Amino acid sequence: QQQVKQSPQSLIVQKGGISIINCAYENTAFDYFPWYQQFPGKGPALLIAIRPDVSEKKEGRFTISFNKSAKQFSLHIMDSQPGDSATYFCAASGFGGKLTFGTGTRLTIIP
Amino acid sequence: KAGVTQTPRYLIKTRGQQVTLSCSPISGHRSVSWYQQTPGQGLQFLFEYFSETQRNKGNFPGRFSGRQFSNSRSEMNVSTLELGDSALYLCASSGRGTYGGYNEQFFGPGTRLTVL
Repeated sequence: QQQVKQSPQSLIVQKGGISIINCAYENTAFDYFPWYQQFPGKGPALLIAIRPDVSEKKEGRFTISFNKSAKQFSLHIMDSQPGDSATYFCAASGFGGKLTFGTGTRLTIIP
Repeated sequence: KAGVTQTPRYLIKTRGQQVTLSCSPISGHRSVSWYQQTPGQGLQFLFEYFSETQRNKGNFPGRFSGRQFSNSRSEMNVSTLELGDSALYLCASSGRGTYGGYNEQFFGPGTRLTVL
């Protein structure tokens, strides 16, 4: 019940296109859903996060869509750029500091 | 503000040894969490400390332990190292966040531990 399932495992998108990564969770006690971006040799960096009282949150080219009834959330990267090539992790947490992470999506943006 | 710092960045140990990793959180942050990252298991939560007290613990054996000091700096220790302990160990610090009061976690660069 603590799992967060993430798909796809890898994704190739053309420059300027939209990258979409999906996550699903089981534990209804989760109420905070961040996305992290990780480059090789670096720690994960917080990109954007959402709480279930809103269905969408946008920050620049990054948007989280949240569907509470389906227990799913997704990250959309608009106008994808080569610099966005990285591994993306969704995560979820309830009360306290424990984040449960998805398995990661390796995103490659091609010219 | 300076980010989360972790030392050392790289470490090579042999089976049976023990190791101590250090984490300095962002100034003003009182919560420190530790995670293990491996290609096979992904990112897994080890434990969280807040005001020198362990507040949450993941499903790792007792060989993994940690502590937090009064200045919020934290250490984690792994005793009797096994080959499977080879991983990137990440520390994250949390302070007052912007997402509805939840504490956002900011990660350090990690310590790459190799057990031979």
